[in-house]
Amino acid sequence: QVQLQQSGAELAKPGSSVKISCKASGYTFTSYYISWIKQTTGQGLEYIGYINTGSGGTNYNEKFKGKATLTVDKSSSTAFMQLSSLTPDDSAVYYCARESQGWYFDFWGPGTMVTVSS
Amino acid sequence: DIQMTQSPSSMSASLGDTVTITCLASQDIGNYLSWYQQKPGKSPKLMIYGATNLEDGVPSRFSGSRSGSDYSLTINSLGYDDEGIYHCHQYYEYPPAFGAGTKLELK
Repeated sequence: QVQLQQSGAELAKPGSSVKISCKASGYTFTSYYISWIKQTTGQGLEYIGYINTGSGGTNYNEKFKGKATLTVDKSSSTAFMQLSSLTPDDSAVYYCARESQGWYFDFWGPGTMVTVSS
Repeated sequence: DIQMTQSPSSMSASLGDTVTITCLASQDIGNYLSWYQQKPGKSPKLMIYGATNLEDGVPSRFSGSRSGSDYSLTINSLGYDDEGIYHCHQYYEYPPAFGAGTKLELK
């Protein structure tokens, strides 16, 4: 069955960076894009961007350009998101999600909580 | 960017009720609209895609509809398992956008 496993919670200091992973299983990894979504205050969802898992090509929501960097390791079926120059506003739960052939998100990872605090 | 205005932000209903959640798109998105259910501490789960198509395994008590730029999620015969936050999502145009979410509680 399709599964997306994400790395554990992160506690980071302002100005630092974190790198979150999303390991896929149960399907052909390179046949589907992986997207990343931010959730703050347990309710609102914000789209960060996607990575073409076959080519490594990326597309970012303008708001997250310079903040998020998406990469992929096809050999381990893992997608990564690095968040840089962290501020308290980056504290959130970050989800990876598989983008279906129809562009909606059919499977989601369990989320990774990032807390930015001095 | 396309904006999705979701209402209500929260609601309370009784067991067995029928409830409707609505999203209004700021411009035409065709049927490129999906709905997700999110339980506390869990990730969102796909319920409806293409505005009206039920995802496999989702109870038929859930349905999606469209009237112009208004999209609705209706839940019939409400049960305690239906509590959670519901999100709409447009994927017609990049970047994809979500509504602000509707928190559904049972009385």
